[in-house]
Amino acid sequence: AQKVTQAQTEISVVEKEDVTLDCVYETRDTTYYLFWYKQPPSGELVFLIRRNSFDEQNEISGRYSWNFQKSTSSFNFTITASQVVDSAVYFCALSEVSGSARQLTFGSGTQLTVLP
Amino acid sequence: ETGVTQTPRHLVMGMTNKKSLKCEQHLGHNAMYWYKQSAKKPLELMFVYNFKEQTENNSVPSRFSPECPNSSHLFLHLHTLQPEDSALYLCASSQGGENTIQYFGAGTRLSVL
Repeated sequence: AQKVTQAQTEISVVEKEDVTLDCVYETRDTTYYLFWYKQPPSGELVFLIRRNSFDEQNEISGRYSWNFQKSTSSFNFTITASQVVDSAVYFCALSEVSGSARQLTFGSGTQLTVLP
Repeated sequence: ETGVTQTPRHLVMGMTNKKSLKCEQHLGHNAMYWYKQSAKKPLELMFVYNFKEQTENNSVPSRFSPECPNSSHLFLHLHTLQPEDSALYLCASSQGGENTIQYFGAGTRLSVL
């Protein structure tokens, strides 16, 4: 069965600090997708990124960057120069392409608080 | 107008009430999902519909009854709920199966008294 672990339950940083959110996953498949979502206080999950298991290139989008390492089954998310608006719960998720477990499995989330 | 709209945003109901949650997507997607988000727990997938057909039911109690009349609308009918059913219920849609990007609504915050 697939599993996603976000060991950091809560993180607090001061504005302009860099912060990394960890995500470790388990899957038996060689083909799968990884996702990050942001959930602000309004409740809606906002899609941030999808990465397939064959693409290990790191990605940067503005202040956001993602480090995918298959060797350690990790897909970490870094916010550079954090801002108060980044305060939210961040979820990592895993989806397998084949097999009976076709669900999108979410981690338990990391509550990020950015203090002014 | 947001892509996925859920109503109501907040709902308080007694254990003997019957109520329905509504979800509407304006993205032209063919798959829709119901998730339950309880405090301190990961999101739990409840139901999946592809082209109006239910393809997943993750052992959800029968007091939750989904309905998908068309690819744009999804309902969750609630009856004789328990206090432990209090949670945020999120609807999502995607173009294709679970490996595609799912877009979420803002959820319905349900309190069962």
